Amino acid sequence: QQQVKQSPQSLIVQKGGIPIINCAYENTAFDYFPWYQQFPGKGPALLIAIRPDVSEKKEGRFTISFNKSAKQFSLHIMDSQPGDSATYFCAAPPSYSSGSARQLTFGSGTQLTVLP
Amino acid sequence: DTAVSQTPKYLVTQMGNDKSIKCEQNLGHDTMYWYKQDSKKFLKIMFSYNNKELIINETVPNRFSPKSPDKAHLNLHINSLELGDSAVYFCASSPPPQGAYGYTFGSGTRLTVV
Repeated sequence: QQQVKQSPQSLIVQKGGIPIINCAYENTAFDYFPWYQQFPGKGPALLIAIRPDVSEKKEGRFTISFNKSAKQFSLHIMDSQPGDSATYFCAAPPSYSSGSARQLTFGSGTQLTVLP
Repeated sequence: DTAVSQTPKYLVTQMGNDKSIKCEQNLGHDTMYWYKQDSKKFLKIMFSYNNKELIINETVPNRFSPKSPDKAHLNLHINSLELGDSAVYFCASSPPPQGAYGYTFGSGTRLTVV
């Protein structure tokens, strides 16, 4: 079964700073690795995702860096804004050996606060 | 609007009661899920259905029973509610092939057992 470790648990940055959230997964997987953003009172929403054969993916101010050999990936938020304050979850797809069970395994979440 | 919708949004009930949470998606997705989010925000998979068939049943008490009347609906029934069941429950769906990418979550049902 896939395992995912996410850090830090919480993060406070000033507006304009570049928060970085890190995740490590245990088992090799071949499907997309997504990040989700969750605002209070809402469900998680897909933010950005990366294929494991790509080292970097940018969408607007959000960038995923992927290190396949180290089984690590991270989310960078450029020019962070107070509106980015939310909980961020990384997720990993199932490993090769998961058979028909195709659910994502989520990290434990990072509470990001961007101060004005 | 295309979405995953859950009802009710809030549910307050006494210990020992039985309650249901309903979920519907109009995205045409084949796979639906129930997740439990605890007070520390941890998201734990409970069940997964693909085209009305149960494909994942994690270790949850058998007081929890999912039902999928069709591929657009996945309901969660909980018997004999306990204090520890208090959490936010999210329904989600994903496109084929039993997609591990592109989950769409509902807005959650906050269950409080008193």
